[in-house]
Amino acid sequence: GAVVSQHPSRVICKSGTSVKIECRSLDFQATTMFWYRQFPKQSLMLMATSNEGSKATYEQGVEKDKFLINHASLTLSTLTVTSAHPEDSSFYICSARSLSGGTQYFGPGTRLLVL
Amino acid sequence: DAKTTQPNSMESNEEEPVHLPCNHSTISGTDYIHWYRQLPSQGPEYVIHGLTSNVNNRMASLAIAEDRKSSTLILHRATLRDAAVYYCIRIFQGGSEKLVFGKGTKLTVNP
Repeated sequence: GAVVSQHPSRVICKSGTSVKIECRSLDFQATTMFWYRQFPKQSLMLMATSNEGSKATYEQGVEKDKFLINHASLTLSTLTVTSAHPEDSSFYICSARSLSGGTQYFGPGTRLLVL
Repeated sequence: DAKTTQPNSMESNEEEPVHLPCNHSTISGTDYIHWYRQLPSQGPEYVIHGLTSNVNNRMASLAIAEDRKSSTLILHRATLRDAAVYYCIRIFQGGSEKLVFGKGTKLTVNP
């Protein structure tokens, strides 16, 4: 099956710093990538939809200036959490959809802890 | 709004079949039914999807009711590695194809 990777798998940072998370589709090209956030014991919440070469579309309530998304190529999307605060601590998961559409394939997730 | 309804939890014994139900009574004719599962501390994993006919793959079977208002994911022989949260999601194929996750069903497999 299709493989999606994320880097880093976990990160600890100080409050006020920025953190960049990478999402790569390893064996297919992804026109669309999605970013989710998951708090403990809760379900995944979609944050934004990222299309290659265009601006991301953010879900209601998600601050686009705080969560910067770049989808520069068909195999890479990045999420930057700017000026992170403890309440941003969460499990961030990306998914990618291939050019042919259909199924989304998920990365393993990145656990962010902001101190 | 996930637009699907699933039991919060289910329990099974190892090597026994498991039937995970999902209600999607407001489904439209162009909505596909997708199932994903999430193991602890991992990203979701695609399991299976279908539109009208029953579907089989190496992981599971998907039985879709004739009126499409409900479906059942079938794990033929549960293993300990099948313990996960299972999500039933309806997707309008051809639209934005955003996945809206509900709370899913937490499956516990007893040895």
